[in-house]
Amino acid sequence: DAGVIQSPRHEVTEMGQEVTLRCKPISGHNSLFWYRQTMMRGLELLIYFNNNVPIDDSGMPEDRFSAKMPNASFSTLKIQPSEPRDSAVYFCASSLRGGLGKETQYFGPGTRLLVL
Amino acid sequence: GQSLEQPSEVTAVEGAIVQINCTYQTSGFYGLSWYQQHDGGAPTFLSYNGLDGLEETGRFSSFLSRSDSYGYLLLQELQMKDSASYFCAVRESSASKIIFGSGTRLSIRP
Repeated sequence: DAGVIQSPRHEVTEMGQEVTLRCKPISGHNSLFWYRQTMMRGLELLIYFNNNVPIDDSGMPEDRFSAKMPNASFSTLKIQPSEPRDSAVYFCASSLRGGLGKETQYFGPGTRLLVL
Repeated sequence: GQSLEQPSEVTAVEGAIVQINCTYQTSGFYGLSWYQQHDGGAPTFLSYNGLDGLEETGRFSSFLSRSDSYGYLLLQELQMKDSASYFCAVRESSASKIIFGSGTRLSIRP
């Protein structure tokens, strides 16, 4: 299995531009998570989906952020307009919800976003 | 509110044993997990405790005491490659998201 795939791996953009991050979860996994990691705030959960449905988006910082999961194999996180404070590493993770027991999350390699 | 407390930094010697503690305060508890993250890398799953006691996976062990809202990760026979950040994470219920601690940076000295 290729694992969780994220693209792009690096993104440099200017303030005000739209940024779209993409994620392909592990095949068969039915939960998908978007995280943001910075030195100051650590690892923050932005939003997560179960069976393509957004369950909790309370971590989305503001309306400039939006996420979609149109099907089980693809998700996007969009920032419009982007701001310098959005600079961070954005991770996508997926897991298989078994209902009981551990639920290991498998993280993608991350997208390193720099907003100038 | 929810909170997970773990030390920000720990230093240990190669070949030694180190314990990283995690205390949590959450509205519910469904399980405690540990993740490792090397600089520039992504978090990777290490261990999980759903019940009290010790779980062992090779050189790594994890312990949980639900009555004390406390757990720890034990790393034995430390190797230089174990230098990384270690995160504890708690799930409050079977349906809820996982909450991560702020991470403990482990530095290994020769």
